[in-house]
Amino acid sequence: EAQVTQNPRYLITVTGKKLTVTCSQNMNHEYMSWYRQDPGLGLRQIYYSMNVEVTDKGDVPEGYKVSRKEKRNFPLILESPSPNQTSLYFCASSTLLAGVFNEQFFGPGTRLTVL
Amino acid sequence: QQPVQSPQAVILREGEDAVINCSSSKALYSVHWYRQKHGEAPVFLMILLKGGEQKGHDKISASFNEKKQQSSLYLTASQLSYSGTYFCGTEGRMDSNYQLIWGAGTKLIIKP
Repeated sequence: EAQVTQNPRYLITVTGKKLTVTCSQNMNHEYMSWYRQDPGLGLRQIYYSMNVEVTDKGDVPEGYKVSRKEKRNFPLILESPSPNQTSLYFCASSTLLAGVFNEQFFGPGTRLTVL
Repeated sequence: QQPVQSPQAVILREGEDAVINCSSSKALYSVHWYRQKHGEAPVFLMILLKGGEQKGHDKISASFNEKKQQSSLYLTASQLSYSGTYFCGTEGRMDSNYQLIWGAGTKLIIKP
């Protein structure tokens, strides 16, 4: 089954404690991205990756890191989480055809609370 | 840069029609439409490419006017299952960034 998986689904942590949210896709998609979703703001892109070892900042990258060592995995790292990073996070993947995005496949989401 | 969606929310009776608009200040290459149920991931509805084509998907269709940089999503004879928040994602080519920029969403409530 084609899917994007994220772990953990729910996480409560404390300020400053480093954490990693994993994302994996089994569709051989070259493009992967991370979004955060906050009430009334829609989806805001944190980072994206065009392919292995190619990453770039989205609209709200501060406080986050990513890596793309393998095509299927795109972990999101919060080195020192703060309460303003409390949010619902989605990982997504897709292909690009002639530079145009195809359907975005979203993971189930990770609800993060930073106390 | 975020596209503007209107209305922000709409309440309908089952069987009524709805139109959701998405307007951008930038030239667009494509517009994506997704529906999200509460607590779930967004689900793909359709993509419209520049060229003004209209697409259909059961009783849900959409149009894309690239000159006006606008897209509209049409829901005909709405069903209870159409409830959720609808997002448009826009793709521009004014710079080298490969990003979809999302609207804030339109919440659709269908009542029996």
